Amino acid sequence: DQQVKQNSPSLSVQEGRISILNCDYTNSMFDYFLWYKKYPAEGPTFLISISSIKDKNEDGRFTVFLNKSAKHLSLHIVPSQPGDSAVYFCAASDGNNAGNMLTFGGGTRLMVKP
Amino acid sequence: GAGVSQSPRYKVTKRGQDVALRCDPISGHVSLYWYRQALGQGPEFLTYFNYEAQQDKSGLPNDRFSAERPEGSISTLTIQRTEQRDSAMYRCASSALGGRRETQYFGPGTRLLVL
Repeated sequence: DQQVKQNSPSLSVQEGRISILNCDYTNSMFDYFLWYKKYPAEGPTFLISISSIKDKNEDGRFTVFLNKSAKHLSLHIVPSQPGDSAVYFCAASDGNNAGNMLTFGGGTRLMVKP
Repeated sequence: GAGVSQSPRYKVTKRGQDVALRCDPISGHVSLYWYRQALGQGPEFLTYFNYEAQQDKSGLPNDRFSAERPEGSISTLTIQRTEQRDSAMYRCASSALGGRRETQYFGPGTRLLVL
């Protein structure tokens, strides 16, 4: 039972345009959400996060939106650059857990074409 | 500064053999996490430590899997009597203070192939 789902395995976008990556979750106890970015042969690196008390968090070209009622979050990249080409993982943290184990989605491969 | 390192980067073993995967977290980091990532999927939690204490091992798939962090720094994930279904990327991550919303820094992973 996948608690975090990324339904698009891949996305292709033209340089300069907006990239929108989507993520859905089922566990209502998730209260903190993150996006990680992964280049080939490297580990995932943290990109941006959002707490469930917010509906938007912005960091430069990256904005994450959270819709709690729909259990949906999205990552917007504007403008997209070729260097953004990577696999993006959505992850969530359960407020009931004392620890910080993350539940990840399956990832979306973003390709930004020059 | 040095990030999280893992060794070996690749391990090929025969079914039935034991393997030990090592993780060197960022120096001074309190928390250390192990995840397993199957091809085309996201990382899946296995276990984590605060200092040398194993706090949660609910993600370990069965009793062939074990982990330790005896001195609160380097950690070893051991898989006994490996099976082909154990083939995956094994990732280690660490965080500074063990807080709930701290950033986890991932290593490059160990790709395990069981023949």
